[in-house]
Amino acid sequence: AQKITQTQPGMFVQEKEAVTLDCTYDTSDPSYGLFWYKQPSSGEMIFLIYQGSYDQQNATEGRYSLNFQKARKSANLVISASQLGDSAMYFCAMREGWDDKIIFGKGTRLHILP
Amino acid sequence: NAGVTQTPKFQVLKTGQSMTLQCAQDMNHEYMSWYRQDPGMGLRLIHYSVGAGITDQGEVPNGYNVSRSTTEDFPLRLLSAAPSQTSVYFCASRERTSSRTEAFFGQGTRLTVV
Repeated sequence: AQKITQTQPGMFVQEKEAVTLDCTYDTSDPSYGLFWYKQPSSGEMIFLIYQGSYDQQNATEGRYSLNFQKARKSANLVISASQLGDSAMYFCAMREGWDDKIIFGKGTRLHILP
Repeated sequence: NAGVTQTPKFQVLKTGQSMTLQCAQDMNHEYMSWYRQDPGMGLRLIHYSVGAGITDQGEVPNGYNVSRSTTEDFPLRLLSAAPSQTSVYFCASRERTSSRTEAFFGQGTRLTVV
């Protein structure tokens, strides 16, 4: 079974609109961490934001925020006021318990339209 | 700091050839890992290590060997390359001092097996 599910293979969004990228996860461990990474066409992996399972508040980093719904096991990335430079592949990832390894979803390719 | 350095950036192999993908980090990270990225599959974990002398298998370990003799280096060996191993390979490292730390990625190695 997939640990991380990203159901949107691709998305097209108009510039300046807000974007929500979906991520659901599967774990029975009460302690876990969720990550979002951006991969532009140049190929590098850029860390965006982290949410811990015990964090009381949703994580925010500049224009990025994480809509964390623990009961639904979802950790959607919200990008406010999208820009052309946001066009990229976005990956959701998870680390469980004391395990060090980070498992990734299949990604969502976001296209920002001018 | 150089961060995570992968060599080579591009490689073409013939079926049956062997090669080693190099990965070095200068951040004194205990955790290092290798992923492969294929279209529509996201990043899949091949092998990982939590310190010198310790390695473990990830999601797709078959056909790959690793060793970790120093904190800095984590080479990935393909003993007998197959076309199915055509992929982009990423090395990543992270601190283990906190559960919140993200993984830092190298620039990737694009491998083609013909």
